[in-house]
Amino acid sequence: DTGVSQDPRHKITKRGQNVTFRCDPISEHNRLYWYRQTLGQGPEFLTYFQNEAQLEKSRLLSDRFSAERPKGSFSTLEIQRTEQGDSAMYLCASSYVPSGKNIQYFGAGTRLSVL
Amino acid sequence: AQKITQTQPGMFVQEKEAVTLDCTYDTSDQSYGLFWYKQPSSGEMIFLIYQGSYDEQNATEGRYSLNFQKARKSANLVISASQLGDSAMYFCAMREGRATGTALIFGKGTTLSVSS
Repeated sequence: DTGVSQDPRHKITKRGQNVTFRCDPISEHNRLYWYRQTLGQGPEFLTYFQNEAQLEKSRLLSDRFSAERPKGSFSTLEIQRTEQGDSAMYLCASSYVPSGKNIQYFGAGTRLSVL
Repeated sequence: AQKITQTQPGMFVQEKEAVTLDCTYDTSDQSYGLFWYKQPSSGEMIFLIYQGSYDEQNATEGRYSLNFQKARKSANLVISASQLGDSAMYFCAMREGRATGTALIFGKGTTLSVSS
C-alpha cells in the first residue's frame, strides 16, 4: 500500500506565473485534504474533498487558488498569478471515512518558492 | 485564542532517555480527536498516535504514549527510550467534532533534538 504522493517536490516560479501541484492519495481513501505550511508554523487547512465533491474551503483559499479532484482519485491545486506570499510548503493528506479515527496521512509536500 | 498550544519551541534529550512534549487544547465540543505528527527535515508529516475524547485509556503506539488529561485539556506526547532518529519537529493537532468539515488544527510545533 503506497502512501500519499505529491508532485513536484519543489517548484520555483516567478511572481505572476501560474503553478499546479498534483496529489495522489492512498488508494481507496475517499477524503483528500490540502494544507499550507509556512516556515515555523504548523500546517493550515485549505480545502478538502470527499470523493469528487469539494466540501469545505477555508478563508485562506483566495480566488487565485482552485482545487479539483476529478473522478475522486488524484487532486490538483492551482495557484494563479502567484505572489511572494504564496511561498510555502503545500501538503496533501488523505483519509478513509467511515473509519472512526479518520486519521489523515500526509504526503511529503510540494515546496513552492515565488521569486 | 489558540486552539492548540505547544509551549516548548525546542527540547533536548539524550539517547535512551524519555521525553515529554507538551500540548494543551481548547474546544467546547464534547467529541474531538487529538493527534501527534512527526515532521523530519524531509518535510513529510508522519502520523504517530491518536486519542479520542471518549477514550478512557491513554493511547500507546510502541515507544509513543499520549498522556491525556481531559479536565486539564492536555494531551502530552511521551517518547520512551529516545533514538537519534527521533530528532524532528513534532506537531499536536485536534479535530473538533463539528457536523461539517474535518480539518485538523495544528499547534506551532516543538523541535526535538536527540544527542548521543
